[in-house]
Amino acid sequence: DVKVTQSSRYLVKRTGEKVFLECVQDMDHENMFWYRQDPGLGLRLIYFSYDVKMKEKGDIPEGYSVSREKKERFSLILESASTNQTSMYLCASSRPQETQYFGPGTRLLVL
Amino acid sequence: QKEVEQNSGPLSVPEGAIASLNCTYSDRGSQSFFWYRQYSGKSPELIMFIYSNGDKEDGRFTAQLNKASQYVSLLIRDSQPSDSATYLCAVRDRGSTLGRLYFGRGTQLTVWP
Repeated sequence: DVKVTQSSRYLVKRTGEKVFLECVQDMDHENMFWYRQDPGLGLRLIYFSYDVKMKEKGDIPEGYSVSREKKERFSLILESASTNQTSMYLCASSRPQETQYFGPGTRLLVL
Repeated sequence: QKEVEQNSGPLSVPEGAIASLNCTYSDRGSQSFFWYRQYSGKSPELIMFIYSNGDKEDGRFTAQLNKASQYVSLLIRDSQPSDSATYLCAVRDRGSTLGRLYFGRGTQLTVWP
């Protein structure tokens, strides 16, 4: 069974704080993805990674950065959290050209 | 930007009926298509994928693909209240060796007893 875990289910942060969201997968997948999901806007890709230390911008990378130091772990960083980054954050992983499997999500509230 | 369009619904059907969920996509060269189910407050889970024109059946679910019309659908037979969820259509970017998916905004399905 594929397992993708995320460090927190719920998170409350203040404007201007640096926020780290962690994602770990146990299936040796090469690809990992970070999405955010907002009502009416669907899933939007923030960043993805196809190998350790490799990353590509998605559709909405502004205000975010990522880190992939180990194959199983992909971190999303909000350098200075803002209220418009309040959202559900979803991590996914896959082998190249195969199905993406999602983690349980982190609901982030920025006050 | 690749477009994946779904009717946002809500689609409401009685228990036991067939629910039909539709999706169109803009990139004619797309090769792979996925349906995910997402319960409220939960993350998406894969239901089915389809690569070839025609129908693919898995239990009560049937995915239908028509590449000429750039159209993919999901039929749910004998709908149950537990099928009430948002269904996301996803299309794989043919130009990406990484397998990036483009998602529609989802169709909300309600099955009433």
